[in-house]
Amino acid sequence: KAGVTQTPRYLIKTRGQQVTLSCSPISGHRSVSWYQQTPGQGLQFLFEYFSETQRNKGNFPGRFSGRQFSNSRSEMNVSTLELGDSALYLCASSLALGLDTDTQYFGPGTRLTVL
Amino acid sequence: GENVEQHPSTLSVQEGDSAVIKCTYSDSASNYFPWYKQELGKGPQLIIDIRSNVGEKKDQRIAVTLNKTAKHFSLHITETQPEDSAVYFCADVGGGADGLTFGKGTHLIIQP
Repeated sequence: KAGVTQTPRYLIKTRGQQVTLSCSPISGHRSVSWYQQTPGQGLQFLFEYFSETQRNKGNFPGRFSGRQFSNSRSEMNVSTLELGDSALYLCASSLALGLDTDTQYFGPGTRLTVL
Repeated sequence: GENVEQHPSTLSVQEGDSAVIKCTYSDSASNYFPWYKQELGKGPQLIIDIRSNVGEKKDQRIAVTLNKTAKHFSLHITETQPEDSAVYFCADVGGGADGLTFGKGTHLIIQP
């Protein structure tokens, strides 16, 4: 079974631009979560989508948004990029039996660099 | 969860020796505790997890113990091998709707 795939793997943008990242979950998984990883803050939860609806959200500004499609694929968007948005963005998928018991499987991440 | 503290930040052990990484959590409602291994250039890989109704779980050379009273859980790796070198993260899922809360990570170095 194929794992979680993320595209693109690397991205370079300039301040003020916007960016869209894509995630394809493991086949059969219905929940997709997004995390930001930086050296200073570590791994932080952004949001989770299930059945095309945002189910949970972390403590990030409204510039960070996402969506999920009917085939469970998900995209996240960051508008008006800031230097501090440079990070590894990770997507994780799970079966969605319940977030507190679900096992989350991570993709390889998208490395975003903001200049 | 609310907060997860992980120690040590760096751990160097001789090949063949055991390694122990410890985490404490603050959210009393936390009931799921996974451990992830992250190698350079890759996403975190789940290596073992434990749920709150279990005190210990073992999978070959890897074991996790959970003490809910003291709110801490530990990862034990025995007979370490060079391929165990990586960054290890503990995490929990608490009562709030905030996904996985991760510790800051432990860089495990296996010395030949």
